[in-house]
Amino acid sequence: GAGVSQSPSNKVTEKGKDVELRCDPISGHTALYWYRQSLGQGLEFLIYFQGNSAPDKSGLPSDRFSAERTGGSVSTLTIQRTQQEDSAVYLCASSSTGVTDTQYFGPGTRLTVL
Amino acid sequence: AQTVTQSQPEMSVQEAETVTLSCTYDTSENNYYLFWYKQPPSRQMILVIRQEAYKQQNATENRFSVNFQKAAKSFSLKISDSQLGDTAMYFCAFMRPSGATNKLIFGTGTLLAVQP
Repeated sequence: GAGVSQSPSNKVTEKGKDVELRCDPISGHTALYWYRQSLGQGLEFLIYFQGNSAPDKSGLPSDRFSAERTGGSVSTLTIQRTQQEDSAVYLCASSSTGVTDTQYFGPGTRLTVL
Repeated sequence: AQTVTQSQPEMSVQEAETVTLSCTYDTSENNYYLFWYKQPPSRQMILVIRQEAYKQQNATENRFSVNFQKAAKSFSLKISDSQLGDTAMYFCAFMRPSGATNKLIFGTGTLLAVQP
């Protein structure tokens, strides 16, 4: 596609429910990142995928968070048993190779946990 | 650990005037990259400009230019001839290239309002 796309644009859920957020990177980009943007924490790195290598999960805040990338393209971020502090904008970015290339961002998913 | 500081939470500028946004960072690395991203109300993070630390020449993209002072660890963004469409949140970001994750470390942002 022309740019990084994310769905849904907005998601409202109840505390304790599971949610899935989707990211479709720019075609041909091998590197994919998830970031979280919240009022209290600013912009923070969550997880990184590069080709077929094992993902870097060092930024995931708890074991309720997980992500996968199927076929080296689309990625899904899953949050289990959502809490109110999970409310944030979740941004996805992709880059061509991931080493020195610029990261291009999607429009984000705004998650609200009631 | 690297940190990025943006000391101006909000700024305002008149249309057609020039404004400078400040950014400082802390790192012991010699090779790194610096970025300015713009985030309008649409939430889309848009790359404004990028600077490689090994380059002495300041990066320029049309009305946007940077003043990169490596020794002082300063990376300010100058916007010339400000336009209403420049109204947005501006984030300074640092990246240390490595063989593994090349995550961006962001500052807290500066909200820029361009007044007509």
